[in-house]
Order: sequence, then structure tokens, then C-alpha cells
Amino acid sequence: DTEVTQTPKHLVMGMTNKKSLKCEQHMGHRAMYWYKQKAKKPPELMFVYSYEKLSINESVPSRFSPECPNSSLLNLHLHALQPEDSALYLCASSQDRQGRNNEQFFGPGTRLTVL
Amino acid sequence: DAKTTQPPSMDCAEGRAANLPCNHSTISGNEYVYWYRQIHSQGPQYIIHGLKNNETNEMASLIITEDRKSSTLILPHATLRDTAVYYCIVRDPYGGATNKLIFGTGTLLAVQP
Repeated sequence: DTEVTQTPKHLVMGMTNKKSLKCEQHMGHRAMYWYKQKAKKPPELMFVYSYEKLSINESVPSRFSPECPNSSLLNLHLHALQPEDSALYLCASSQDRQGRNNEQFFGPGTRLTVL
Repeated sequence: DAKTTQPPSMDCAEGRAANLPCNHSTISGNEYVYWYRQIHSQGPQYIIHGLKNNETNEMASLIITEDRKSSTLILPHATLRDTAVYYCIVRDPYGGATNKLIFGTGTLLAVQP
């Protein structure tokens, strides 16, 4: 299984809602990532987990809260988002955070719209 | 900031080779060149990477100049399904906090029938 799955595919939420994005992989990877991609822009790194511990937070606002309950799962909890947070949220995983043969496998993303 | 420069767009005829250039004049000795692509409405997909030798896999070939300041990704027989944004990224895979994929603006390759 070389797949990263993300749910939901699409999400519409109001600015007062609380929602969560989910990501799952069963490749035995120990590093997992969240990226944000605005329309017609490249992906931007948000968070990196390594061995279930947060290792990189790219100065992301606290209304985004990541969680890694186990080595296969990664969540992104959303609360009090703004319309400008509307974007494609991509999850990725890799065997480890470091190493030469360490390509990242990406999921299909969750398309988030904040009203 | 991304450390690579790519043309914003390129066209290629179906069945012909697609040659995608990338400039990385400030690349350091520890940094590898990685290529990913993103087909519309999908997540990015890893293609290939290399340090200084040319590399080939089932998807593509990577040619890195001897001074390592530029590289070319070659898709030998482009198909319509190869239409995507191609990202060239330099990265030190052992660089600790700097070990991140930083995507530039990429090249939109349009394969024409």
C-alpha cells in the first residue's frame, strides 16, 4: 500500500465552526507533513511530525492545531478560521524526516472553503 | 524562499521528449536536486532526485551539469497524462531544520496531441 488518504475531500465551514481534517498512511512512514496550497500557488509547508512528535511549525496561526495520535494518523484541527484560509490542504508522509532516499508521498488533499 | 528558477510554462508534442530546465546556481555541496510534479487537482508526486550523477528511473531521466548549477528533467516520450506542473527543488536531506521541501513556482508542461 503506497497511498496516503485524506478525508474529507471537500469541506465547507463557517468562521465559528470547529472541524478536523484527517490523513492516514500504512506505509510504515515515521514522518508526516501538512501543506497548504492556495489556488495557482505552490504548496507551502505548515507542520512536520517525526516519530509522532511535532518537529517543525512554520509559524502557523494557532487556529490550526495539528495532532498525531499514532504513526499512521495525522489530524489537523480547525477552529475560528478566516475566509483567507480557504485552500487545498495536503498531507504527505516519508520514511523518515531525513535521508537521501526520502521522497514524500502526498495525499489528494482536502479542498477547504471558509465562509 | 525557493532556490531554483524554472520557466513558467512549456509545450511539448505527444510522443516527443519533454526537456524541463531548472537553474539552481546557489546550490550547496550537500544539496540534492529533487523533481516533483502535480497533476491538476491531485497531490504532488515524486519523480526523481540526484546529487551530481545523471539518474534514470521508470518515469524520467535527470541530467545535472558538471558544475551542478543547473539540471534538466527529461520525459522521454511525453503523453497527455504528463500534463502537470513540474517542480524542481534543491534540498539537503540531512540538513536538520533545513531539510524541507520548498516548492518554487514550477513549470506548467502542456502536452499537445
